[in-house]
Formats: sequence, structure tokens, C-alpha cells
Amino acid sequence: GESVGLHLPTLSVQEGDNSIINCAYSNSASDYFIWYKQESGKGPQFIIDIRSNMDKRQGQRVTVLLNKTVKHLSLQIAATQPGDSAVYFCAENMIGGGSNYKLTFGKGTLLTVNP
Amino acid sequence: ETGVTQTPRHLVMGMTNKKSLKCEQHLGHNAMYWYKQSAKKPLELMFVYNFKEQTENNSVPSRFSPECPNSSHLFLHLHTLQPEDSALYLCASSQASPGAQETQYFGPGTRLLVL
Repeated sequence: GESVGLHLPTLSVQEGDNSIINCAYSNSASDYFIWYKQESGKGPQFIIDIRSNMDKRQGQRVTVLLNKTVKHLSLQIAATQPGDSAVYFCAENMIGGGSNYKLTFGKGTLLTVNP
Repeated sequence: ETGVTQTPRHLVMGMTNKKSLKCEQHLGHNAMYWYKQSAKKPLELMFVYNFKEQTENNSVPSRFSPECPNSSHLFLHLHTLQPEDSALYLCASSQASPGAQETQYFGPGTRLLVL
């Protein structure tokens, strides 16, 4: 069936290094992707999104890359800080009931930043 | 703060109890969602409401009963739950419109423990 998944369940980096979190998706019809960050005890927080007509989008210290050929999505965090420690989810946007778009989430990658 | 609030933040209930979870969004959105987040599992969509109408029920057991009196408020009524229903219940909202790709904004969740 269709799925969104993550290559690495955990990632440990040193403070100041760059982090790359990967995500694979299987529905070639998906046209919108979102990265969320979830800190302990909190709900998922929107980080950045990208539409399928783009292959790169940059935010503040974060960059999302989309490779539609291999159905791969990545989140790059520059100069990783301890406050970046969290679980990161990618989500895939598909049409759901009625006019709604339904998000399908991956399992998440736990990013740990070591001081 | 994401503009989506949930109460209570923590709830312990017995299997014979009846309780309700509340979600309120202050973002002017017209779609609201309930998700279940269990350990080591992806976020599971439970219900979707668009303009107070339920547009998605993702095969959720009837012991979970949603209610959406208006576009800003969403409830999840719980009765005769099972221990395996223990999880983090997340509410989200988005601006839904036909053909639009929407970002969902999440509340902090209610941590539910069923004894």
C-alpha cells in the first residue's frame, strides 16, 4: 500500500554540525510534503513545506529537498543546536474525504544533538 | 503557541469511565482533525471535520465519538475504553478549500492513560 517512511529512526550529531534527515514516499501522485518537529511533551510543529513543482526550498537554517524521480525527501538543518533535538516527521499530502487533503505521516526520526 | 489548544493535557481513566477531550483553534480555520499517536507508530488519523461536517472516519471504534459544534471547537467523547487506547491524542486544524494544499497546525495533545 501507499506509505511514507523514514530511512533512519535515530540520528545523533554534534552541536554545530549539519543534520540530514531522510524520508521516502511511495505515492507518485502526492504533490505536497511537510516536515514537522515534535519535542517531548508537545504536539508536532510545522517546520517547512514543499510542493511537487519545486525541488528545493529554504527556510531559516533548514532546507527541504525533493527528488520526485526516486520519491525521496530530505530535511537539512544547518549548524544544529541542542534545541533542535526532537523527533522529525515527514508528511505526505493526499486527497482524503470530500475536498480535504489527508496527511500521511512517517514514523519519525529522533534527532539528538550532543553539546 | 500554535493557536490550537487542548484540554486536559493529561487524563487517567478507568475502562468504565466516560470522559471528553476538548480542542479549540484560534486560527480561523474551517477543518479540524483528531489523531492518535502511540509509541513507535506513525500518527494515525481518526476523524476529519470540514465546516462542522464529518468527512472522514478512519475506521475508528465506536467507543470514540467526535463532536464538532462549530468550526472552532472539536470534542472527542470517550467511553468504555481499553488499555490499548492509551496514547497521545492530538488535535489539528487547517484552512480547507477545494484544490488547496493545507498545512495542519497541531495542539499540544492530551496524554491519555486507560487503566
